[in-house]
Amino acid sequence: AQTVTQSQPEMSVQEAETVTLSCTYDTSESDYYLFWYKQPPSRQMILVIRQEAYKQQNATENRFSVNFQKAAKSFSLKISDSQLGDAAMYFCAYRAGLNYKLTFGKGTLLTVNP
Amino acid sequence: DTAVSQTPKYLVTQMGNDKSIKCEQNLGHDTMYWYKQDSKKFLKIMFSYNNKELIINETVPNRFSPKSPDKAHLNLHINSLELGDSAVYFCASSQERGLGNTIYFGEGSWLTVV
Repeated sequence: AQTVTQSQPEMSVQEAETVTLSCTYDTSESDYYLFWYKQPPSRQMILVIRQEAYKQQNATENRFSVNFQKAAKSFSLKISDSQLGDAAMYFCAYRAGLNYKLTFGKGTLLTVNP
Repeated sequence: DTAVSQTPKYLVTQMGNDKSIKCEQNLGHDTMYWYKQDSKKFLKIMFSYNNKELIINETVPNRFSPKSPDKAHLNLHINSLELGDSAVYFCASSQERGLGNTIYFGEGSWLTVV
């Protein structure tokens, strides 16, 4: 069974600093996607970034980038120049298989200190 | 315009009651989902429908019955509510079933069973 592990229940960062959130996954699939979702206090789930397993180049979206290490099954999220609005729960997610199920990790609560 | 809308947003009800949560998406997607987020923020898929056909049913008690009258709607009916059903229920949708397709989430429906 596919699993997604986020080993950091909570993280904190100073405003304008950089923080990295960790995620590892377990799979036997060769074709899959990885995602980071953000859930602010409003509870809305917002897609931050995605990575296709076949692409070696790490995905980047403005201040958000990933470090995708396929052999190590690692998919970390780096947030640069952290802003107060980045404070949220961040979920790593994996999607593969015939039914394309999206499986989430347990989340990392990020606090941004002014 | 809200892409994925759920009603009600908040629901407090007594044990044993039957309740429904409605979901509508105006994105023209043909795949819809229900996710449950428990008190520890863990997100888990419950059901997925593609073109009104059930494709994922994740060991959910049969007290939970999804109904998709058309591609734009996926309602969740819960019979004989139990305390453990208290959670936030998220409806979501995506275009077809492609692995990399973005899944758009509604704002969640917060169910409290007393």
